[in-house]
Amino acid sequence: EAGVVQSPRYKIIEKKQPVAFWCNPISGHNTLYWYLQNLGQGPELLIRYENEEAVDDSQLPKDRFSAERLKGVDSTLKIQPAELGDSAVYLCASSLGGPWEQYFGPGTRLTVT
Amino acid sequence: GENVEQHPSTLSVQEGDSAVIKCTYSDSASNYFPWYKQELGKRPQLIIDIRSNVGEKKDQRIAVTLNKTAKHFSLHITETQPEDSAVYFCAASVGFGNEKLTFGTGTRLTIIP
Repeated sequence: EAGVVQSPRYKIIEKKQPVAFWCNPISGHNTLYWYLQNLGQGPELLIRYENEEAVDDSQLPKDRFSAERLKGVDSTLKIQPAELGDSAVYLCASSLGGPWEQYFGPGTRLTVT
Repeated sequence: GENVEQHPSTLSVQEGDSAVIKCTYSDSASNYFPWYKQELGKRPQLIIDIRSNVGEKKDQRIAVTLNKTAKHFSLHITETQPEDSAVYFCAASVGFGNEKLTFGTGTRLTIIP
């Protein structure tokens, strides 16, 4: 089966610019997660979707970050405006339901200059 | 919230020897404990997981043990091979109702040929 797909793989932008990341989960996976991974650290949850509903966005900095999963399949994470501290890898993961067996995408490495 | 501590942060072992990575967690309600392997520049890959109704689980050269009383779990890799070199992350979740995975800070495992 195809894995979790993310694009772009790399993005370099200047601070204050907007940026968007796209994720397509494994087919049939209702739960979708966006994680942030800083260098040398474990992933940290930003937001979790059950189908099209954001059921946990407590860690999402809502002043500049937004996300959507309109049809309950693919999802977009946006940052506007980007700050230097947003440089990190943004990982998308999906699962059939619950926390078990989350499968990760390759991530988008964001560099803000 | 849940806090997961992971030790050691780096580990070097001779090829063929065993490697052990340990994690402790704070939330006694946690009942799902996966381990992920992340090679440089690649996605985290689920390698083994355990649920709280099981004390030990084994898959070929990899095993995970869980001590719920002490709130710690460990990854054991036997007969290590060069391809085992990677960063390993443990994680914990309380399961349905709070599907968030809380990750440890990672262990960089190096297998010395």
